[in-house]
Amino acid sequence: NAGVTQTPKFQVLKTGQSMTLQCAQDMNHEYMSWYRQDPGMGLRLIHYSVGAGITDQGEVPNGYNVSRSTTEDFPLRLLSAAPSQTSVYFCASSKTGTGGLNYGYTFGSGTRLTVV
Amino acid sequence: GNSVTQMEGPVTLSEEAFLTINCTYTATGYPSLFWYVQYPGEGLQLLLKATKADDKGSNKGFEATYRKETTSFHLEKGSVQVSDSAVYFCALLNAGNNRKLIWGLGTSLAVNP
Repeated sequence: NAGVTQTPKFQVLKTGQSMTLQCAQDMNHEYMSWYRQDPGMGLRLIHYSVGAGITDQGEVPNGYNVSRSTTEDFPLRLLSAAPSQTSVYFCASSKTGTGGLNYGYTFGSGTRLTVV
Repeated sequence: GNSVTQMEGPVTLSEEAFLTINCTYTATGYPSLFWYVQYPGEGLQLLLKATKADDKGSNKGFEATYRKETTSFHLEKGSVQVSDSAVYFCALLNAGNNRKLIWGLGTSLAVNP
């Protein structure tokens, strides 16, 4: 009963490096999303997906790419890391379909990223 | 558009005190409302939800009632414990929003023994 699994838990990058944050869920959820959480800013949506092969931008997509080739996986790519991307990143998933408004999100435990 | 406003923290209480965290919303139609909790160093967990007016969500001693007349979903607990220290987020989900939750900024709660 893994739920939403994020890796790595911690990462330090140098400015300009690229990396991929991994997110996988085993609940057959159609909807997946990436958030960043910064002090005083709450949760801000980066990208989301309503199903395999479908992605869209959230509030703060610049500097990030996503793809959704399978239902289970939704990786987040940082193309060229900047200090402004220092944050805690959360992946979340949800059922959709019949009764869609009744379903909450299931969150991963987060990735704490520091860009120096 | 849709929005959620929740009271600013931090809120500091003594153990066994009564807790209220206010949450009001703006939305068209009939959204679903949620409270999430984030314990230190962890991800967010769904605490409770209500999907229609006058519904009461409850879990772990916490309650919130969906009040359409006042557009509110205040979180309450009769007797808080040290283990309730966390950040609490109010959120709204509306039809036509492509399943994007609308979040409040979170309220930090610290409970002292």
